[in-house]
Amino acid sequence: GQNIDQPTEMTATEGAIVQINCTYQTSGFNGLFWYQQHAGEAPTFLSYNVLDGLEEKGRFSSFLSRSKGYSYLLLKELQMKDSASYLCAAITGGGNKLTFGTGTQLKVEL
Amino acid sequence: EAGVTQFPSHSVIEKGQTVTLRCDPISGHDNLYWYRRVMGKEIKFLLHFVKESKQDESGMPNNRFLAERTGGTYSTLKVQPAELEDSGVYFCASSQGSNYGYTFGSGTRLTVV
Repeated sequence: GQNIDQPTEMTATEGAIVQINCTYQTSGFNGLFWYQQHAGEAPTFLSYNVLDGLEEKGRFSSFLSRSKGYSYLLLKELQMKDSASYLCAAITGGGNKLTFGTGTQLKVEL
Repeated sequence: EAGVTQFPSHSVIEKGQTVTLRCDPISGHDNLYWYRRVMGKEIKFLLHFVKESKQDESGMPNNRFLAERTGGTYSTLKVQPAELEDSGVYFCASSQGSNYGYTFGSGTRLTVV
């Protein structure tokens, strides 16, 4: 079966750095997405990793290790607006469908 | 460029009634997906259209759910008759070609009472 695990919630301080981890056990793995979702809004694309390593995009970076079935999303210089749910999702099954984790609710505090 | 549009944003219906959700993908996107999130659970895949054809409908829960995409443009998802466990947020997403760059809509929150 397909299984993706990530912490349910995290709290961090404005200006700090936070790392959200995601582990996965899937068949037909073709890459991993991170999405940000504010309450009542659409999930919005943050990153896509298909090869091992770190992808950096501004304040956000994402890392993938295919051999370990592990990814993380790194958020730097946290801002209050970064308070949201962060969804880890894998492309699975040889097709285009996404398998999601339950999401990590990040709360940024002063 | 307009995003993925879903209608309605909210729907409250009684058990046994019929509801139809609509999704307008980004113009030119051949791939259209339906996903669902029930309370406290992860977002789960329902089905995938390529143009007007169902590419993968392995996630459809049962035959009370019917998805169509006539003409390969907008799609509808009908639930008939609705049951309490169908409550959740239904998301639509679209992408172009084999590009994995999905764009999600804001979802339709369905409440069955």
